[in-house]
Amino acid sequence: NFVLTQPHSVSGSPGKTVSISCTRSSGNIATDYVQWYQQRPGSSPTLLIYDDDERPSGVPARFSGSIDRSSNSASLTISGLRPEDEADYYCQSADERIYHWVFGGGTRLTVL
Amino acid sequence: QITLKESGPTLVKPTETLMLTCTFSGFSLTSSGVAVGWIRQTPGKALEWLAHIYWNGDKYYNPSLQTRLTISKDTSNNLVVLTMTAMEPVDSATYYCAQSPTYSVSTVFASWGQGTLVAVSS
Repeated sequence: NFVLTQPHSVSGSPGKTVSISCTRSSGNIATDYVQWYQQRPGSSPTLLIYDDDERPSGVPARFSGSIDRSSNSASLTISGLRPEDEADYYCQSADERIYHWVFGGGTRLTVL
Repeated sequence: QITLKESGPTLVKPTETLMLTCTFSGFSLTSSGVAVGWIRQTPGKALEWLAHIYWNGDKYYNPSLQTRLTISKDTSNNLVVLTMTAMEPVDSATYYCAQSPTYSVSTVFASWGQGTLVAVSS
């Protein structure tokens, strides 16, 4: 099966924009949707983005998702960084044909 | 409001079987398209999908753990049970259950429980 690779860590200053990548090792990134989750310290993960670029109700528009077929990767972009955005972020996708779900290794976002 | 809560032992011995229960409210596992899954998170922080059960009874397992896992549901009591046999210290983790709703095209983990920490040690 495939692996989703994320950078270990990223950082940004308040008010700035950061992006976190999620690269699929095999198979087409566009074949199966990508989700993004935020996990603050001591808390359970929460859904930020689903179906590549959709936001659940209540998630601010500062969070956006996209996919790039040329690099076979997905990205989570956070604009207008806030201190409370400091958390771990995980991408997730699936091979829906065999009902197998995969998470990326997670990225620690530090807001400087 | 959707809530899920995991329960089970905090400590199991190597070779024993772990049984975890996910008790939920705010949705029905008889509604078309709805599912509940189990995910674990090791101390190193990686998330690993374990198993999924759908409203119609379809079940799916992580291939690397398939021989050790069983997932079942009790729709009358709004609960999902996961059993994992032959527990080893490497299975020490926080175990989460999560609900997959119907508003997404793909199966996503939209609502999560608080997690339950399980240690495997003699």
